[in-house]
Amino acid sequence: NAGVTQTPKFQVLKTGQSMTLQCAQDMNHNSMYWYRQDPGMGLRLIYYSASEGTTDKGEVPNGYNVSRLNKREFSLRLESAAPSQTSVYFCASESISNTEAFFGQGTRLTVV
Amino acid sequence: GENVEQHPSTLSVQEGDSAVIKCTYSDSASNYFPWYKQELGKGPQLIIDIRSNVGEKKDQRIAVTLNKTAKHFSLHITETQPEDSAVYFCAASKSSNFNKFYFGSGTKLNVKP
Repeated sequence: NAGVTQTPKFQVLKTGQSMTLQCAQDMNHNSMYWYRQDPGMGLRLIYYSASEGTTDKGEVPNGYNVSRLNKREFSLRLESAAPSQTSVYFCASESISNTEAFFGQGTRLTVV
Repeated sequence: GENVEQHPSTLSVQEGDSAVIKCTYSDSASNYFPWYKQELGKGPQLIIDIRSNVGEKKDQRIAVTLNKTAKHFSLHITETQPEDSAVYFCAASKSSNFNKFYFGSGTKLNVKP
């Protein structure tokens, strides 16, 4: 029972490099989210997808793009990484019926 | 949008004591309030939640209370144990077919043996 799986777990990027964070869920959930977690700031929503084929901006979308590839997968792309994007990134998914959000284990990203 | 404030940012208690974490929210339309526990190196995990039609909910040693008028809700942990040590997050959302959760800034709870 994998739940929400994120890859990679750790990544170091140089300023200006690009990368894609992958997220997949096996719970047949409709909604998926990307959050970033910074010290003292809790979790802030970057982008979300209410259903396959739709994506919307959250609280802090600048510098990111997302793709809802299918119902299972929701990826987050940094086109040109900046030190301000150093953070821990969490993917989450949620079903309509029980409202509980399930989180992945996170990706710790450092931009130098 | 919603603004959720959480206090305290750190809390240290002796094993066996109680711990209380408080959150306030700004949007009176919010009606779903989950609490998440995040252990070191892991993602947040739901431990208890409450909806706005209920004033209190208990699950063994943890309980959550909600005051809709004052727009605040609290997590209560009784008989704390070292394994309760973690970061706890509150959140608020308007429950619908889709939820956008607004999280508090977190409370680091340390239970001393």
